[in-house]
Amino acid sequence: KQEVTQIPAALSVPEGENLVLNCSFTDSAIYNLQWFRQDPGKGLTSLLLIQSSQREQTSGRLNASLDKSSGRSTLYIAASQPGDSATYLCAVGRGRNDYKLSFGAGTTVTVRA
Amino acid sequence: KAGVTQTPRYLIKTRGQQVTLSCSPISGHRSVSWYQQTPGQGLQFLFEYFSETQRNKGNFPGRFSGRQFSNSRSEMNVSTLELGDSALYLCASTPQGEVETQYFGPGTRLLVL
Repeated sequence: KQEVTQIPAALSVPEGENLVLNCSFTDSAIYNLQWFRQDPGKGLTSLLLIQSSQREQTSGRLNASLDKSSGRSTLYIAASQPGDSATYLCAVGRGRNDYKLSFGAGTTVTVRA
Repeated sequence: KAGVTQTPRYLIKTRGQQVTLSCSPISGHRSVSWYQQTPGQGLQFLFEYFSETQRNKGNFPGRFSGRQFSNSRSEMNVSTLELGDSALYLCASTPQGEVETQYFGPGTRLLVL
């Protein structure tokens, strides 16, 4: 059974600091890994998806890396802003056309103005 | 394109009742997945439907069921509600193709009293 862990559970940083969020998974036979953002009481917004054959993906201030062999992914958010305050979740997909995602518990980020 | 829509957004039920939740995927997406999110268990996969067929199922009791219609809209039903069924229920739609990003709706908040 795939276990996904996110450390730390919570993070508070001053505005402008770079954020580093970690995700680890126990079974390296993944198909893809997706990072999501969730605002309180809301649904999930997809941030980045990394295919198992890729090492990283970038979108604006966001960069996600994937190291399948060590079972790790890292989400970097550059120059954080108060609007980045949210819970960030990583989720692992196990196969093509298999849409069951295994989620971590999330990292709750607070960016202080 | 319009995003994933879920109705209703909020529900209050009492123990023993049943409830039906609805999800309309993004136009053209034929896969709909359902997840339950609780503070204690996080996000857990319920089931996935593709072209009106259940393709994958999580570890939930038989009180949880679903179906998908020919227009890809999906419903999930929970019978004989228990207090522990109080949760945010999220659905996600996924396009077929190389990049299988899952797009989530805003969720239905269910409170069982």
